[in-house]
Amino acid sequence: AQSVTQPDIHITVSEGASLELRCNYSYGATPYLFWYVQSPGQGLQLLLKYFSGDTLVQGIKGFEAEFKRSQSSFNLRKPSVHWSDAAEYFCAPDTGRRALTFGSGTRLQVQP
Amino acid sequence: DGGITQSPKYLFRKEGQNVTLSCEQNLNHDAMYWYRQDPGQGLRLIYYSQIVNDFQKGDIAEGYSVSREKKESFPLTVTSAQKNPTAFYLCASGGMYQPQHFGDGTRLSIL
Repeated sequence: AQSVTQPDIHITVSEGASLELRCNYSYGATPYLFWYVQSPGQGLQLLLKYFSGDTLVQGIKGFEAEFKRSQSSFNLRKPSVHWSDAAEYFCAPDTGRRALTFGSGTRLQVQP
Repeated sequence: DGGITQSPKYLFRKEGQNVTLSCEQNLNHDAMYWYRQDPGQGLRLIYYSQIVNDFQKGDIAEGYSVSREKKESFPLTVTSAQKNPTAFYLCASGGMYQPQHFGDGTRLSIL
């Protein structure tokens, strides 16, 4: 079955530390890939997207993600986390059914 | 500014009552979507529409209905058949293989 997995439900990092959020998908073909961020009680904001080409994509707020076909992964990274990055992060492939499939999300907590 | 407007922000439903959530977009997007979010879970697709007067069921369409009479509008009705309607509902718009833009959501609760 087609699916997307975010293995880490909750991550806590110290402010200024680096961050990596994992995302794995299982689809026959390479999907279009998106990362979204959600603050409590709010809608989702697009962080970055991968369609094709360069496998390292840059997004807003200093985030980047790397598509690795061999590992079916699209992990989100940030070199130095800020307290304002505390939120929930969702990985979402577009598998061609014209709608996104969302992972269960990773909640990020930032310690001072 | 272009965007997606969801209303109301909070909504309460009585037993046996249908309620309608509004979603309007001025981004000129062809496609619109409704998602349901439960605590600690990702978003699940309820319905989506790629074009006016056409829509498709998503993964959890039972107990919900939609209409798409105008490009800008995609209202969602939560019917009395939906036995567990308490959730956060998010509307989005976009194009094929394009990022979706989201509204700020409607939180539905049962009285």
